[in-house]
Amino acid sequence: EAQVTQNPRYLITVTGKKLTVTCSQNMNHEYMSWYRQDPGLGLRQIYYSMNVEVTDKGDVPEGYKVSRKEKRNFPLILESPSPNQTSLYFCASSQKQGVQETQYFGPGTRLLVL
Amino acid sequence: AQTVTQSQPEMSVQEAETVTLSCTYDTSENNYYLFWYKQPPSRQMILVIRQEAYKQQNATENRFSVNFQKAAKSFSLKISDSQLGDTAMYFCAFMKPYANLAYSGAGSYQLTFGKGTKLSVIP
Repeated sequence: EAQVTQNPRYLITVTGKKLTVTCSQNMNHEYMSWYRQDPGLGLRQIYYSMNVEVTDKGDVPEGYKVSRKEKRNFPLILESPSPNQTSLYFCASSQKQGVQETQYFGPGTRLLVL
Repeated sequence: AQTVTQSQPEMSVQEAETVTLSCTYDTSENNYYLFWYKQPPSRQMILVIRQEAYKQQNATENRFSVNFQKAAKSFSLKISDSQLGDTAMYFCAFMKPYANLAYSGAGSYQLTFGKGTKLSVIP
């Protein structure tokens, strides 16, 4: 089954404790992206990657890091989480070229930073 | 920067009736894509329908159709024969292609979302 998976689905942590949210897709997609969703603000893009070892900032990259060492994986790293990073996070993937620009979303990761 | 505006924070519709969700956007691009996503209580994002800006014909997908007015920068979603399972948040999204000069491949794609419309289908 074609899908985007995220882990963990729920996470409670404390300020300053480094964490990683994993994202994996099995569709051989070249393009992957991270979003955060906050009430009243909709979804905002954090980082995206056009291919292995190629990443770039989205609209709200501060406080986040990403890496793309393999095509299927695109982890989101919070080196020193703060309460304002409490949010619902989505990973998405899509084909880079052709007609398959449609992005496929993962199930979301709900993060609470105390 | 692109902006996407959904002016209706909440809407309701009777089961089997038709409802239209509005979306406007602001861009100077000529080539772009527009999407409607559905987010049910499970919180997963589900693609409902997409529209390429270069196509004049409005996209349709079963009970879902769009009214794309490029000159007016409007992209509304019509849901016909509403069903209880249509209850969800609906997000309009704009995607533009643009070139990343550091990467020799094709352009990259950035997705901008509206703030969403909460639709409730009433039995």
